[in-house]
Amino acid sequence: KNEVEQSPQNLTAQEGEFITINCSYSVGISALHWLQQHPGGGIVSLFMLSSGKKKHGRLIATINIQEKHSSLHITASHPRDSAVYICAVISGSQGNLIFGKGTKLSVKP
Amino acid sequence: EPEVTQTPSHQVTQMGQEVILRCVPISNHLYFYWYRQILGQKVEFLVSFYNNEISEKSEIFDDQFSVERPDGSNFTLKIRSTKLEDSAMYFCASREQRSTGELFFGEGSRLTVL
Repeated sequence: KNEVEQSPQNLTAQEGEFITINCSYSVGISALHWLQQHPGGGIVSLFMLSSGKKKHGRLIATINIQEKHSSLHITASHPRDSAVYICAVISGSQGNLIFGKGTKLSVKP
Repeated sequence: EPEVTQTPSHQVTQMGQEVILRCVPISNHLYFYWYRQILGQKVEFLVSFYNNEISEKSEIFDDQFSVERPDGSNFTLKIRSTKLEDSAMYFCASREQRSTGELFFGEGSRLTVL
């Protein structure tokens, strides 16, 4: 069983739609990252959070530690948001990450 | 904005050859990581490095792999004798603090083993 599960695996949306990507994890964590992987392969950290909610522009990330669940929301989605979104948790003492399989988002104009 | 840089961006090598992938972490960062992503699969942890030594490594990181910080700026991953299954994208990452600092990734080095 994967320690970090994401849903959906693939998501196609129309421009302007509100998007939610979910992440559940089964291990104890100190923090959770939401990452964006561009079509060329590069990875960018969008959020790191250990409680509550964070917002950056059109992106909102929430985490519920008790339920071991996090969500990434994109408001007013745009074709440039098309990418793979990866949930990764920090578990253990060295700060390294356990990754989910990613959610491939495609936003159509 | 500070960034993690990786070279080469793409390397093609013959099976059995040695490969060195290079990373320059952000200058005030203390914790360094290598991750691997085989095409179509999820990203996997390889090794973490702090204070000039390996702090944790995964099962993937066998005797064929080694890491080094030779000069205080570069952070290298060496694969001694490459195998076909080593073909992947290798990502370097660094952070200032162990568990709470923001994590910065390089653009990745794509390794193709023929």
